[in-house]
Amino acid sequence: DADVTQTPRNRITKTGKRIMLECSQTKGHDRMYWYRQDPGLGLRLIYYSFDVKDINKGEISDGYSVSRQAQAKFSLSLESAIPNQTALYFCATSEQSSYNEQFFGPGTRLTVL
Amino acid sequence: AQSVAQPEDQVKVAEGNPLTVKCTYSVSGNPYLFWYVQYPNRGLQFLLKYITGDNLVKGSYGFEAEFNKSQTSFHLKKPSALVSDSALYFCAVRDMRAAGNKLTFGGGTRVLVKP
Repeated sequence: DADVTQTPRNRITKTGKRIMLECSQTKGHDRMYWYRQDPGLGLRLIYYSFDVKDINKGEISDGYSVSRQAQAKFSLSLESAIPNQTALYFCATSEQSSYNEQFFGPGTRLTVL
Repeated sequence: AQSVAQPEDQVKVAEGNPLTVKCTYSVSGNPYLFWYVQYPNRGLQFLLKYITGDNLVKGSYGFEAEFNKSQTSFHLKKPSALVSDSALYFCAVRDMRAAGNKLTFGGGTRVLVKP
């Protein structure tokens, strides 16, 4: 969905490096999410935020941190990258109601050597 | 806890034939159910959802899904598949009672439609 953008689209880094993945949205949604996708495991939730002052851990938050700089921006950081964090990372947004679907960005392919 | 199972890693069908992608779920309360599709090098795109009401839900690109509470299933269907339907399909569930509004995804099913 072009209304949700992610940068960079691809990144190769080395073990121990700090990495930041950025997500921006123009949909005006309050809720934002970070997922990682691994083959056969589907998408797993890393962190989510329901508004600028709200940050919540997902099922696999260890080794990651996030920052919600504004309603439209939600960044994911890997403080010290490790090879098993090699994955496809997706940002998503949704409206407030729990029955609303999520809108996904194009993804960031991260490789940690 | 909520969970989703997509029992088939891959489904192959000939163009023009019916397509079914299976999904079963487990929640403690009532479910919200979603189907998404992922084309190569793209993010997930929403296809359809079941919230309440009619068990047969119609969505984008001619897809539909049937909610079956007794079998805890939400299979995705298309009467006549197209080559362009070849993609990775994800089923997802949210328990209405779950805190945090979390969406749980299945492992995905790769659909290959042959000309």
